[in-house]
Amino acid sequence: AQSVSQHNHHVILSEAASLELGCNYSYGGTVNLFWYVQYPGQHLQLLLKYFSGDPLVKGIKGFEAEFIKSKFSFNLRKPSVQWSDTAEYFCAVRSSSGSARQLTFGSGTQLTVLP
Amino acid sequence: DTAVSQTPKYLVTQMGNDKSIKCEQNLGHDTMYWYKQDSKKFLKIMFSYNNKELIINETVPNRFSPKSPDKAHLNLHINSLELGDSAVYFCASSLPGTGAPPLHFGNGTRLTVT
Repeated sequence: AQSVSQHNHHVILSEAASLELGCNYSYGGTVNLFWYVQYPGQHLQLLLKYFSGDPLVKGIKGFEAEFIKSKFSFNLRKPSVQWSDTAEYFCAVRSSSGSARQLTFGSGTQLTVLP
Repeated sequence: DTAVSQTPKYLVTQMGNDKSIKCEQNLGHDTMYWYKQDSKKFLKIMFSYNNKELIINETVPNRFSPKSPDKAHLNLHINSLELGDSAVYFCASSLPGTGAPPLHFGNGTRLTVT
């Protein structure tokens, strides 16, 4: 069975600081990887996804993530965070041959950006 | 236009009551889901329906019964509510099949059982 670990439960940064949120997964085969964001009181929205090809993936709002297969990692980064980035961030994984229903989510990382 | 819409947004009720949450999607997706997000923000799938047919039920108590009148709707009915049912419930939809694009979520229904 696949699983996802997000070791940072709560990250607090000042505006303009750089961000890196960790995500590690366990699965023996090839995977698709996702980052979702949940702004306060809202639904989850897709931030970016990796299916294949260039392991450095760029998403919306200046976010990017790098898939490192040897480390089973898919860390989320942003060079300079804004107050509006305050949200919960979820990493998710599924087998590349799997369907959307087989998506497994991590427990989330709460990011608080101080103005 | 809202792609995946759920009602109500908030639901407060007492133990033992029966309640329903409605979900509708206008994306033309064949597959719909219910997820439960607990107080620790952990998100777990409950049900998955493909074109009105149940295809997954992740060890959810029988008190929870999904109903899909058509492929654009997936309602969740909960009988004999318990305190532990308090959570945020998210409806989602996607295209079916392998390698399908990821989920589109509704805004969630915050259920509080007192």
